[in-house]
Amino acid sequence: KAGVTQTPRYLIKTRGQQVTLSCSPISGHRSVSWYQQTPGQGLQFLFEYFSETQRNKGNFPGRFSGRQFSNSRSEMNVSTLELGDSALYLCASSSGPSGSQHFGDGTRLSIL
Amino acid sequence: QQQVKQSPQSLIVQKGGISIINCAYENTAFDYFPWYQQFPGKGPALLIAIRPDVSEKKEGRFTISFNKSAKQFSLHIMDSQPGDSATYFCAARGIFGNEKLTFGTGTRLTIIP
Repeated sequence: KAGVTQTPRYLIKTRGQQVTLSCSPISGHRSVSWYQQTPGQGLQFLFEYFSETQRNKGNFPGRFSGRQFSNSRSEMNVSTLELGDSALYLCASSSGPSGSQHFGDGTRLSIL
Repeated sequence: QQQVKQSPQSLIVQKGGISIINCAYENTAFDYFPWYQQFPGKGPALLIAIRPDVSEKKEGRFTISFNKSAKQFSLHIMDSQPGDSATYFCAARGIFGNEKLTFGTGTRLTIIP
């Protein structure tokens, strides 16, 4: 069974631009969560989607948004990029409530 | 507000020894406690998880010990091997229907020959 797939693996952007990251969950998984990982703040929860509905949101500004499609694939978007947005963005999928979360290898976003 | 505290920040253990990483939580609504292992350039991989209705869970060389009254849980790695060198994260998740994982700050484990 294929794992969680995130694309692209690496991305370089400049301040003020916007970016879209993609996540394909494990087949059959309907829940997708996004996390930001930085050396200073560690792993922080961004948001979670289940059956195309956002069920939970972390403490991030509105520049961070996401969506989930009918095939459970998810995208997250960051607008008006700031230097502090440089991080590893991780996607995790699970079969649903109370299921184990499995992570992809992330997208490394660097802001110049 | 850090709801899951993890220690130590780094740990060096000799090959064959026991590695112990500790976590403490504050929110009594947490009901699922996983441990993740992360290698450089990779995402966190689920290692083992426990629910508060049991005090210990063992899978191979990995054991979680859970103390509900103290709101603490720990990961024990028996017979530690150089391949276990990685960063380990404890995490906690709330009640049914809430997928958000709250992570500890991580422990960088190094196993020396």
